[in-house]
Amino acid sequence: QKEVEQDPGPLSVPEGAIVSLNCTYSNSAFQYFMWYRQYSRKGPELLMYTYSSGNKEDGRFTAQVDKSSKYISLFIRDSQPSDSATYLCAMSGSSNTGKLIFGQGTTLQVKP
Amino acid sequence: GAGVSQSPSNKVTEKGKDVELRCDPISGHTALYWYRQRLGQGLEFLIYFQGNSAPDKSGLPSDRFSAERTGESVSTLTIQRTQQEDSAVYLCASSLAFTGVRGAQHFGDGTRLSIL
Repeated sequence: QKEVEQDPGPLSVPEGAIVSLNCTYSNSAFQYFMWYRQYSRKGPELLMYTYSSGNKEDGRFTAQVDKSSKYISLFIRDSQPSDSATYLCAMSGSSNTGKLIFGQGTTLQVKP
Repeated sequence: GAGVSQSPSNKVTEKGKDVELRCDPISGHTALYWYRQRLGQGLEFLIYFQGNSAPDKSGLPSDRFSAERTGESVSTLTIQRTQQEDSAVYLCASSLAFTGVRGAQHFGDGTRLSIL
């Protein structure tokens, strides 16, 4: 079993829809949770960075972390065609390592 | 300002040859990481460097892989006697610090390595 599970999709939605992306994980030591967006042939771009449980909002993006369920989510409101990309969740554990464990990535297509 | 820069952007080589990949981190970033991304997969950790501490090499898949970093600047990842399974995108990231928001990793666009 992988430490981080993420549905690879693809996920196709109409423009303006609310998108929900999710990851589950097995290691209870994870404390730092990130979402990256990756366009084709580009490196991952950091979207959201969250420590421990709770919600964080930035513009159209909201990240949620539920450590009790070992479940994290990214919500995209009013989705745009420019949001079409692969979304990767990533997480890390204790403070003495910066190593990130990534999910497989979910491919999102927003249709005009 | 300049982001993480990687070179070459693409590399095609024959099986058995050695390759060297280069990463220039963001200026002032003390931590540097290498990851590998196979087609359709998430990123797989390889190695990281933090200041003058010993690097964490726990993700290197075999002794054919090695990496060096000079101070807090350029890093090179070397793959000796390349195999076809080494074909992947090799991504480099850097961060200001090790933990917290300053530990957020910023990635380059990677080197696409193809082994014939």
